[in-house]
Amino acid sequence: DQQVKQNSPSLSVQEGRISILNCDYTNSMFDYFLWYKKYPAEGPTFLISISSIKDKNEDGRFTVFLNKSAKHLSLHIVPSQPGDSAVYFCAAPESGGYQKVTFGTGTKLQVIP
Amino acid sequence: NAGVTQTPKFQVLKTGQSMTLQCAQDMNHNSMYWYRQDPGMGLRLIYYSASEGTTDKGEVPNGYNVSRLNKREFSLRLESAAPSQTSVYFCASTPVTSGANVLTFGAGSRLTVL
Repeated sequence: DQQVKQNSPSLSVQEGRISILNCDYTNSMFDYFLWYKKYPAEGPTFLISISSIKDKNEDGRFTVFLNKSAKHLSLHIVPSQPGDSAVYFCAAPESGGYQKVTFGTGTKLQVIP
Repeated sequence: NAGVTQTPKFQVLKTGQSMTLQCAQDMNHNSMYWYRQDPGMGLRLIYYSASEGTTDKGEVPNGYNVSRLNKREFSLRLESAAPSQTSVYFCASTPVTSGANVLTFGAGSRLTVL
């Protein structure tokens, strides 16, 4: 039972355009959502997070939107750059301690120069 | 400023052999994790340790054992390796100071079981 799902395994975007990565979840008890970025042969690194009490969080070129009624979040990258080419994972810590963290399957973004 | 260090980076085993993946963090974090990454499966939690002295199963614990040796170190052991355990393994840690719970990951250990 996958609680965090990323249904698009890959995405290609032209440099300078917007990249939109999507994530769906099933557990309505999640309080926080995070996005991680992973380059080949490296570990994932934290990118941006959002609390369930917000519907938007912005950090430079990265914005995460949360739609609680639809149990859906999305990561927008504007403008996309070739260095953004990586695998992006959404993740959620389980409430009640937050130690157990579940990840989605990842979306591989390719930004074409 | 090493962060999370995993050893070895690469390992090839034969079916039935045993081995231990080592992980150490120098950030005084309370919680530590082992994930595996497989194509199309994302990052799946094997085991985690919320604090020194405790360990809990994640999504895919079968075939693995863990030891939280002290606050810094969290090892993952394969007692009898199987080809299905061919994967990239990541160790992570977090201070868990808030619900956002940001994990810091190691660089990964690539394991091949023949």
